[in-house]
Amino acid sequence: DQQVKQNSPSLSVQEGRISILNCDYTNSMFDYFLWYKKYPAEGPTFLISISSIKDKNEDGRFTVFLNKSAKHLSLHIVPSQPGDSAVYFCAPNNDMRFGAGTRLTVKP
Amino acid sequence: GAVVSQHPSWVICKSGTSVKIECRSLDFQATTMFWYRQFPKQSLMLMATSNEGSKATYEQGVEKDKFLINHASLTLSTLTVTSAHPEDSSFYICSARDLDVTGELFFGEGSRLTVL
Repeated sequence: DQQVKQNSPSLSVQEGRISILNCDYTNSMFDYFLWYKKYPAEGPTFLISISSIKDKNEDGRFTVFLNKSAKHLSLHIVPSQPGDSAVYFCAPNNDMRFGAGTRLTVKP
Repeated sequence: GAVVSQHPSWVICKSGTSVKIECRSLDFQATTMFWYRQFPKQSLMLMATSNEGSKATYEQGVEKDKFLINHASLTLSTLTVTSAHPEDSSFYICSARDLDVTGELFFGEGSRLTVL
């Protein structure tokens, strides 16, 4: 069984600064790890993923890092914008259970 | 891109009645769909995996007789909350995976259920 943990329930950053969201997992058997973004009263939407054979994937302001030895991922958003304020979930491609999520607030 | 649609987006019902929520994959076929419930303070809980043409697989602690799931076609799964009670009030979200898109889940817009 996979267990995904997002140990920071919330994060607040100033607009323009970097946001770093973290995710830890227990089971290394996955092909991709994915990040989703969720606004209130909406379903989550896919944000960015990383292959298990990579250690970094970058897409515009979003970069995800994978540290397989530590079983740890981090999502970096830079520069952060107020519109990034949302709840962020991480999940592997082979397990539909999500971590508790991290609520990001970007202050103007 | 792949689209998943839920209906209704919100529903209010009286205690004791049953409510059906539909989840449709609009431009792809989904042999498997997933139902989630969002609890206060953000956590998204997987309730069950809906399998086309067979019984749903429920997560531990989820009452299968309370939350009936039917996946009669490759584009439609339904969740019926039977004999609803106020504690069933929640935000229910479905998702599906387009196998042509690597690993990504596509989520519906969610359905807000309020049981009076």
